[in-house]
Amino acid sequence: DTAVSQTPKYLVTQMGNDKSIKCEQNLGHDTMYWYKQDSKKFLKIMFSYNNKELIINETVPNRFSPKSPDKAHLNLHINSLELGDSAVYFCASSQELRQLLNEQFFGPGTRLTVL
Amino acid sequence: GESVGLHLPTLSVQEGDNSIINCAYSNSASDYFIWYKQESGKGPQFIIDIRSNMDKRQGQRVTVLLNKTVKHLSLQIAATQPGDSAVYFCAETMTYGQNFVFGPGTRLSVLP
Repeated sequence: DTAVSQTPKYLVTQMGNDKSIKCEQNLGHDTMYWYKQDSKKFLKIMFSYNNKELIINETVPNRFSPKSPDKAHLNLHINSLELGDSAVYFCASSQELRQLLNEQFFGPGTRLTVL
Repeated sequence: GESVGLHLPTLSVQEGDNSIINCAYSNSASDYFIWYKQESGKGPQFIIDIRSNMDKRQGQRVTVLLNKTVKHLSLQIAATQPGDSAVYFCAETMTYGQNFVFGPGTRLSVLP
């Protein structure tokens, strides 16, 4: 069984478009995250979210917004895509934010290419 | 050997040898650390963790060493196998903190 799943795995789109990446976890975790991994493999947190609070990395443009229809899902919406948005985006989940053990489980990633 | 430069640092080891991957962490207040392994085309996967009240922790074929004085972590892999080829990340956080901060990663290449 897949613990954290993302769709699509690959996304190729034109500059200026709006797109969404979906994430689902079946671990019963309370907190979900979005990370961006650039071409140099550097992983950077974008958002962490549970049903109580959304924590946004201040460097993330407001064209990016997380949407959570329920505890098991955290989708990433991106408006007005730019070339620099091309990267691999990872969803992750953990049992709870600010807990003693906060191991994160990662999804397989979505490779976004903006042309 | 290890190379550092504009590209991802790479460590090349012979199959069967031991590997040591190093990481300098940034926040002296961090007290919980995790090593992740990322294989090509996959998401990072938990390997081993350590708390700041320990300086060494062992798992199956892996050992993590923590030196808080110099803010340094290392991951030792015994008898390295081809399946160990991946990018390895250290991540730091504070207990009850908000998020993990990931290091830049090291690519481990296992030579036959």
